[in-house]
Amino acid sequence: KQEVTQIPAALSVPEGENLVLNCSFTDSAIYNLQWFRQDPGKGLTSLLLIQSSQREQTSGRLNASLDKSSGRSTLYIAASQPGDSATYLCAVSNSGYALNFGKGTSLLVTP
Amino acid sequence: ETGVTQSPTHLIKTRGQQVTLRCSSQSGHNTVSWYQQALGQGPQFIFQYYREEENGRGNFPPRFSGLQFPNYSSELNVNALELDDSALYLCASSHGQGRSYNEQFFGPGTRLTVL
Repeated sequence: KQEVTQIPAALSVPEGENLVLNCSFTDSAIYNLQWFRQDPGKGLTSLLLIQSSQREQTSGRLNASLDKSSGRSTLYIAASQPGDSATYLCAVSNSGYALNFGKGTSLLVTP
Repeated sequence: ETGVTQSPTHLIKTRGQQVTLRCSSQSGHNTVSWYQQALGQGPQFIFQYYREEENGRGNFPPRFSGLQFPNYSSELNVNALELDDSALYLCASSHGQGRSYNEQFFGPGTRLTVL
């Protein structure tokens, strides 16, 4: 059974800092990995999708990497802003239809 | 292009009642998945529908059931509600042959409270 772990559970940084969120998974036979953002009480916004054959994806200030062999992914956020405050969720697809989610990292960026 | 929409936004029910949640998939998407997110947890996969057929199911009891319609919209039905069913219910759509190879797009969710 796929287990997805996200570290840290919570993070507080001052505005302007670069930061890294970590995601690990136990079964490396994945189809893809997706990073999401969730604002309190809201739905999920897709940030980046990395297919199993890829090593990284970039979108604006976000960069996500994938190391299948070690079962790890990182989400790098450059020059953080207060508007980046949210919960960031990592999800992997093994079966091809279900996403397995971690519990998320709650990020607070202070002005 | 219209995103994924869900209704209602909030719902309050009592234990033992039945509830129906609705989802309209993003334009051009033929696959719909449902997830349950308890407070402080990551979403848990309930089931997926592709071309009106259930394509996969997570570890949820049979009182959780669904439908997908010819226009690819979907319903989630929960019978005999329990207190632990209180959660945010998320719908996701994607385009593909009933697989999650492609990017999943989520709706805003329905907050269900069971008293």
